[in-house]
Amino acid sequence: GENVEQHPSTLSVQEGDSAVIKCTYSDSASNYFPWYKQELGKGPQLIIDIRSNVGEKKDQRIAVTLNKTAKHFSLHITETQPEDSAVYFCAASTGNSGGSNYKLTFGKGTLLTVNP
Amino acid sequence: ETGVTQTPRHLVMGMTNKKSLKCEQHLGHNAMYWYKQSAKKPLELMFVYNFKEQTENNSVPSRFSPECPNSSHLFLHLHTLQPEDSALYLCASSHPGDSYEQYFGPGTRLTVT
Repeated sequence: GENVEQHPSTLSVQEGDSAVIKCTYSDSASNYFPWYKQELGKGPQLIIDIRSNVGEKKDQRIAVTLNKTAKHFSLHITETQPEDSAVYFCAASTGNSGGSNYKLTFGKGTLLTVNP
Repeated sequence: ETGVTQTPRHLVMGMTNKKSLKCEQHLGHNAMYWYKQSAKKPLELMFVYNFKEQTENNSVPSRFSPECPNSSHLFLHLHTLQPEDSALYLCASSHPGDSYEQYFGPGTRLTVT
């Protein structure tokens, strides 16, 4: 089955700096890669995702890059703010078309701390 | 709010108790999921229901029993749990047609004493 490795497990940055979290996956059939943010006491919230037909996607201060050949993808947060502090999870899915369910395999998470 | 609610938010139970976790989604989705989140481990998929039919049971012990009476509601019935079952139990839903996106509830923090 799919295996997703995520690094680093903890990341501390100064406000305004950039943060990068990296993930690798094992199943070359994976074609969907979401990133989730989980704040204390809340469930994971989808913040950005990328499909395998795209190499990069950006949404304001957040961007995700995908290298299918190397089987790795990364989350980039620019101009970090204290409210970006949370646990971030990457995930990968092979997906299924035709109305079937989508099984996500998650990384272990990265605790990001943005220091004011 | 994501449109997925879970009750209770916190639960403490003894190993001989029987309790149930409830999840409700107001998004019109057809697929619902139970995940277990333990410290320093990836989220573990437990069960998947698609159009009320169970399509995945990820080798979960029988002391966890899911129920999906309709596409909007999902239950997890618990009995004779072990202390190592203490974790955050998350419910999620998705529309499996075009979207891969899963929307999570806030979770139930379960402590087994």
